[in-house]
Amino acid sequence: QSALTQPASVSGSPGQPITISCIGTSSDVGNYNLVSWYQQYPGKAPRLMIYEVSKRPSGVSSRFSGSKSGNTASLTISGLQAEDEAEYYCCSYVGTNALLFGGGTKLTVL
Amino acid sequence: EVELLESGGGLAQPGGSLRLSCAVSGFTFSNYAMSWVRQAPGKGLEWVSVVSASGSTTYYSDSVRGRFRISRDNSLNTVYLHMNTLRLGDTATYYCAKGTGQYQLLGSFDSWGQGTRVTVSS
Repeated sequence: QSALTQPASVSGSPGQPITISCIGTSSDVGNYNLVSWYQQYPGKAPRLMIYEVSKRPSGVSSRFSGSKSGNTASLTISGLQAEDEAEYYCCSYVGTNALLFGGGTKLTVL
Repeated sequence: EVELLESGGGLAQPGGSLRLSCAVSGFTFSNYAMSWVRQAPGKGLEWVSVVSASGSTTYYSDSVRGRFRISRDNSLNTVYLHMNTLRLGDTATYYCAKGTGQYQLLGSFDSWGQGTRVTVSS
């Protein structure tokens, strides 16, 4: 199964909002509320930012939010900060006892 | 504090075997499913396998099914990944990851180890 589709890169200026999309199908993103988002800095382990589409773990800034519409999930970062510059991955349950990640999006803070 | 510490990575030949271990602390290990996720150099994340909290249920990605086996020892707070018939494409950093919800098998991962590097090369 192919990876979920994410833009390869997005960028924004400090203080601006940005949204990263994650496009799946009716068999994964569209059928289950089990979409999660991870932040990864180079050489570091991923960090959970959003789970079950829109839930935020304790310790994650309220600037991060998640949503879903149809087969597309989205991660929005409001009030972009320099420390947000990282790689972001979406992940979804795919209904065949498996998980599928997106290809990753490199966020650049201008 | 939740901690996950992987070990066992290294260099293996194609067709060879390795066993990865992940020792955990800071939570009730026997209540949570554990997964392995890998990342090839310069590439994205790929889910590899999951074992249920009790160890009775396991699932694998298509790319490793039949070659890898996941297991856990709840008395040692350790999860393992037994890797056989290794291929060049298995070269990656392997992370163990803790499931977010108690007893939830496949969802999200709220804690990750630092990773252990596996290189398959002749």
